[in-house]
Amino acid sequence: DIQMTQSPSTLSASVGDRVTITCRASQSIVGWLAWYQQKPGKAPKLLIYKASSLEGGVPSRFSGSGSGTEFTLTISSLQPDDFASYYCQEYNSYSFGQGTKLEIK
Amino acid sequence: EVHLVESGGGLVEPGGSLRLSCAASGFTFSSAWMTWVRQAPGKGLEWVGRMKSKADGGSTDYAAPVKGRFIISRDDSKNTLYLEMNSLKTEDTAVYYCTTTHYDFWSGQRWIDYWGQGTLVTVSS
Repeated sequence: DIQMTQSPSTLSASVGDRVTITCRASQSIVGWLAWYQQKPGKAPKLLIYKASSLEGGVPSRFSGSGSGTEFTLTISSLQPDDFASYYCQEYNSYSFGQGTKLEIK
Repeated sequence: EVHLVESGGGLVEPGGSLRLSCAASGFTFSSAWMTWVRQAPGKGLEWVGRMKSKADGGSTDYAAPVKGRFIISRDDSKNTLYLEMNSLKTEDTAVYYCTTTHYDFWSGQRWIDYWGQGTLVTVSS
């Protein structure tokens, strides 16, 4: 099975900051990676698919990049609504990263 | 609009069984490959399993921790997906989400797109 390692597990930042979350795969997944946002008590929401394609309705401050084994999710200018948990997932075998909780500094 | 509503969660004793349902609307359910994902309290997301559409063979795949204990099935006439859980363990305690997958024609890949609101399963004596 493919293992996904996400870092950091917790990230403290302020409104307006640029933040980056990293996801590493144990073997090449080409670009078959998605990113999800989850708020407390809610279901996850798809943000990005194919490593860098923005899902419809997702603000353009979110972007994804990477290929092979290393991927990043970047939020260019944090908004109050962005404080949540984020998960990467490869969709060969559907393994998730451990998640990153984005907290207000 | 895609709508997924899970039901059937509750409290069950270790070793017991439970069947979850996921009522789907807003898309062609019979053509969809569906998955179940779970989340233990305060923990991350864990893929449980997947069922292909009957047109694509209707086969199922499961994560190692649930293989041999959980069964995914579907009733396309009722637009409903099921998760039958047997020999439940305390570590199966989680919110269980039903999801759709999006098919990308050009790559042949499928990723999870829409999620239900989840149903809580608690395994405890």
